[in-house]
Amino acid sequence: EDQVTQSPEALRLQEGESSSLNCSYTVSGLRGLFWYRQDPGKGPEFLFTLYSAGEEKEKERLKATLTKKESFLHITAPKPEDSATYLCAVSSGSAGGTSYGKLTFGQGTILTVHP
Amino acid sequence: ETGVTQTPRHLVMGMTNKKSLKCEQHLGHNAMYWYKQSAKKPLELMFVYNFKEQTENNSVPSRFSPECPNSSHLFLHLHTLQPEDSALYLCASSQVAQGYGYTFGSGTRLTVV
Repeated sequence: EDQVTQSPEALRLQEGESSSLNCSYTVSGLRGLFWYRQDPGKGPEFLFTLYSAGEEKEKERLKATLTKKESFLHITAPKPEDSATYLCAVSSGSAGGTSYGKLTFGQGTILTVHP
Repeated sequence: ETGVTQTPRHLVMGMTNKKSLKCEQHLGHNAMYWYKQSAKKPLELMFVYNFKEQTENNSVPSRFSPECPNSSHLFLHLHTLQPEDSALYLCASSQVAQGYGYTFGSGTRLTVV
């Protein structure tokens, strides 16, 4: 069974204070690791997909990296509008299998950035 | 209209009521999903539909009944719910063959009284 653990549960930063969120995972055959951002009362919004160890992706102040056991979401010089819950999810399995297309999510990290 | 649309946004229902949640995707995706999100818990997969066929029922109680009449529409029929069923219900779609992640709707906030 796929497992995803995110840490820390909550993170408070001052504006401009860079930090990282962690996502540890256990899967049989990783097809993709996904990062989402979720604002209160809304559905998760897609940020990145990473497919293989060593891969990196960037978007504005966010940078996601992937190893064989974990992923990091680095936030550089955050702003208050970056405050949200950040979700990590994994997809595993082979085409035609019952788990194909299914995502398993972590519990999320609640990020608060103070001005 | 684009993306994934869920209606209603908010729903309050008594334990003896019957109601339905609706989800529509305008992305041409071939898979749709229902997830339940409760406070401080990971998103819980409820149902998966690939090409309109249900491929997964994640041990969901029978008081939740999904329906997928075509690849663009997904319903969740609710009856005799319990207060612990109060949560945010999220619909998502994806293009399974390409292995992409999901596109989510904004969710329905359900309160059972």
